[in-house]
Parts: sequence; C-alpha cells; structure tokens
Amino acid sequence: GQQLNQSPQSMFIQEGEDVSMNCTSSSIFNTWLWYKQDPGEGPVLLIALYKAGELTSNGRLTAQFGITRKDSFLNISASIPSDVGIYFCAGQLRSGAGSYQLTFGKGTKLSVIP
Amino acid sequence: EAQVTQNPRYLITVTGKKLTVTCSQNMNHEYMSWYRQDPGLGLRQIYYSMNVEVTDKGDVPEGYKVSRKEKRNFPLILESPSPNQTSLYFCASSFVSGVWETQYFGPGTRLLVL
Repeated sequence: GQQLNQSPQSMFIQEGEDVSMNCTSSSIFNTWLWYKQDPGEGPVLLIALYKAGELTSNGRLTAQFGITRKDSFLNISASIPSDVGIYFCAGQLRSGAGSYQLTFGKGTKLSVIP
Repeated sequence: EAQVTQNPRYLITVTGKKLTVTCSQNMNHEYMSWYRQDPGLGLRQIYYSMNVEVTDKGDVPEGYKVSRKEKRNFPLILESPSPNQTSLYFCASSFVSGVWETQYFGPGTRLLVL
C-alpha cells in the first residue's frame, strides 16, 4: 500500500512556542487530512485540504497542501498544554474504480512543557 | 447525539476462536471503515465500505472480514484470530469519503489474542 513519512516522530516544546510537522509521500494524493488523538480516544479531524496549494487555518492551526500533491505540513502557533497528543496526517487516494482509500502517517507525539 | 459506537471496548480471546467487533453509527453515513492502530505504525486501514453491500480492502485486510448489510452497521469479523491481530481497532464513518468534516471515529476496541 501507500506510505506516508511523517516527521518528527516526537517533539518536546515549551508552552507558547510554535510547532511544525510535515508529511511526505512518494505518491500523489487528492486530499490531505490532519488529525489529533488524545490518550484513550479516537482521532479527531483538525483540518481537511482538498486542493493542491491550499492553505487552511483553524484557530491556531494552519495546514497546507503541497503543490506537488506529495506533501503537507501542519503548524501550531503559541502552543498550550492541551495541544499535547499525537498528530496524524492522512492522504486520500482515489482509485480508478471510484472508490477511496485513506492512508495514515505514523504520527507525531507532541509534549508541551508548561 | 451523533456517535459511532463499538462493542466490545475490550476483549481478550484465544487463538482461533472466531470473534466479531460491532460498529454502529446513528448519522445515516454512507462511508464506514475499520482501522487498526499499533505502536509506531499509526493507523492502518483494514476495510472500508462506500455503501450497503459495497466493501473494499484497505492496506491490511488479511485475516479480517466485513459485511455491510445495513447502512448503520459495519461489523469486523476475525474468523480465526492470531496473536498478531492483537491491536487497538477503530471504526469510523462519514457522509461520503470526500467530505471528511463529517467524519467521526468510534472510541476504539482493544483486542488481545493469546
């Protein structure tokens, strides 16, 4: 199947700092998604990107869909303790049959030091 | 309240004993999918379904079966579980796979196969 390379694997940052993480792929995706997962919970969608070059913000979060369709990044500004969790990127690849498959990165574990 | 429910939440079983994990959504969503989450590997898609009686393989379908006889239910079946299927399983649904803002994940099912 498809593979997404997500980096960094983990981050320790001070409260108030900005955070950046990214995903790259050898394949082209039609949609990029960013999720956050809290301990003991399922992932929650943060941002969905549907067009190459698209830059979308959701509060302190900003994500971009790379022009080549093979990468995406997520930035978090002015981090706060509740930003702690695992962040996943995911790419949607539309197959020729018209069906859809979703591939996830391995996650970035974010720790925020108060 | 819009939700995806999974049962059971925790399950310990033995190798070879058939089991079913149920998934149900109350939002009339067309698209449903199953994922497994393993440390260091992120989420991997097992199967997905575009609508009733329409299912397709994800990245790791081996050892699993699914069915979609009704729109609201999408059970995951392990005919002969093996220890390498010990994992955390998530079910998810959305209106259609291309409108990810409608996506909900279930709370997860933690499975241990001895």
